[in-house]
Amino acid sequence: GAVVSQHPSRVICKSGTSVKIECRSLDFQATTMFWYRQFPKKSLMLMATSNEGSKATYEQGVEKDKFLINHASLTLSTLTVTSAHPEDSSFYICSARDLAGVDLETQYFGPGTRLLVL
Amino acid sequence: GQNIDQPTEMTATEGAIVQINCTYQTSGFNGLFWYQQHAGEAPTFLSYNVLDGLEEKGRFSSFLSRSKGYSYLLLKELQMKDSASYLCAYMDSNYQLIWGAGTKLIIKP
Repeated sequence: GAVVSQHPSRVICKSGTSVKIECRSLDFQATTMFWYRQFPKKSLMLMATSNEGSKATYEQGVEKDKFLINHASLTLSTLTVTSAHPEDSSFYICSARDLAGVDLETQYFGPGTRLLVL
Repeated sequence: GQNIDQPTEMTATEGAIVQINCTYQTSGFNGLFWYQQHAGEAPTFLSYNVLDGLEEKGRFSSFLSRSKGYSYLLLKELQMKDSASYLCAYMDSNYQLIWGAGTKLIIKP
């Protein structure tokens, strides 16, 4: 099946620094990738939709200048948390749609990246 | 591929009961999640099981057997709005989520 990876799996950083999280579709191409944020035992909160070759679409309330998204290729999207603060500590999950999949609506989820900002 | 498996699609009738199974294999386990996802929306948290047994939450119940690497989501009194994809995911020893591919549930009148 389609596999999505994320790197790093966990990161600890100091307040004020920037952190880049990568999301890769390993065996399929994805023009659309999604970035979510999850709090413990809560639903995933969609942050933005990342489109290859164009600007990401951000959900209401998500600061585009703080959460920079770059979808440079059909297999890679990156989320950069700029000037991170402790309240940005969370579990960030990406997902991708398989262009060639049977069901174009199916999203394949990555394992998540744990960010802890000190 | 991922060592977690659930059926691709299921069909059930409004008012009936449906059970969606999820099996997994892992050496490290920190709980199993079920999410509901309607087309075009973010997944909604349904349940989290870390101990064996059945947890009931209204019309939805989730069961876990750690020794068997098995979980199911039971939906009672099905409503048309329950038509959605249901995702199971377990958390491994590194606290990362390993996702199933999702089960598309189709509810017929």
